[in-house]
Amino acid sequence: YVLTQAPSVSLAPGQTAEVTCVGDNIETKRVHWYQQKPGQAPILVLSDARHRPSGIPDRFSLSKSGDTATLTISRVEVEDEADYFCHVWHSSDDCGVFGGGTKLTV
Amino acid sequence: EVRLLESGGGQLQPGGSLRLSCVVSGISFSSYAMNWVRQAPGKGLEWVAVISGRGGSSYYGDSMKGRFIVSRDNFKDTLYLQMNELTAEDTAVYFCAKGGSYYEFGDPFDSWGQGVLVSVSS
Repeated sequence: YVLTQAPSVSLAPGQTAEVTCVGDNIETKRVHWYQQKPGQAPILVLSDARHRPSGIPDRFSLSKSGDTATLTISRVEVEDEADYFCHVWHSSDDCGVFGGGTKLTV
Repeated sequence: EVRLLESGGGQLQPGGSLRLSCVVSGISFSSYAMNWVRQAPGKGLEWVAVISGRGGSSYYGDSMKGRFIVSRDNFKDTLYLQMNELTAEDTAVYFCAKGGSYYEFGDPFDSWGQGVLVSVSS
């Protein structure tokens, strides 16, 4: 099972970022999103399995339709600049899968 | 506060073996599935393995099957990754990450360690 992400997204502060993750019938899976800044461990920013992690602003939201899951970041700020990874559990093969990551530049 | 602290990384030659450890505090360790995730230099995240809360089930990424073994000691609140037949392609920072309850492998990884570097070269 493969998850495909665009390598990079670049936009100005205040704009809306859409980070997409494409996988076969992904709308049937629970999709999780992580943010990773240089030299740091990833942190969970959003998951459609549970409530918003503490400290994550409501500018972050997620959606799914068909083969595409989308992490939307409204009114992006310089502090949002990071790599973003999507992640699912592929139960048919009993394996975890990460997307290749998207570098967000603000 | 949940804390995960990896150790055991280092530099070794191809064909060698290494065991990583991850000590966890702040949670009822045996209640949660635990994962290993790795990141090669300048690359993305790659899922390595998962083990259920009580250790009865474990699964591996394709390139790790037959070479890596994940285990846990719930009395010591510690997760392990035994890595054998290492190659240069295994060079990466290895993270341990807390998963969902017991067998909930589809839950997100809501806590991560800082990672430990494994470098394989001749």
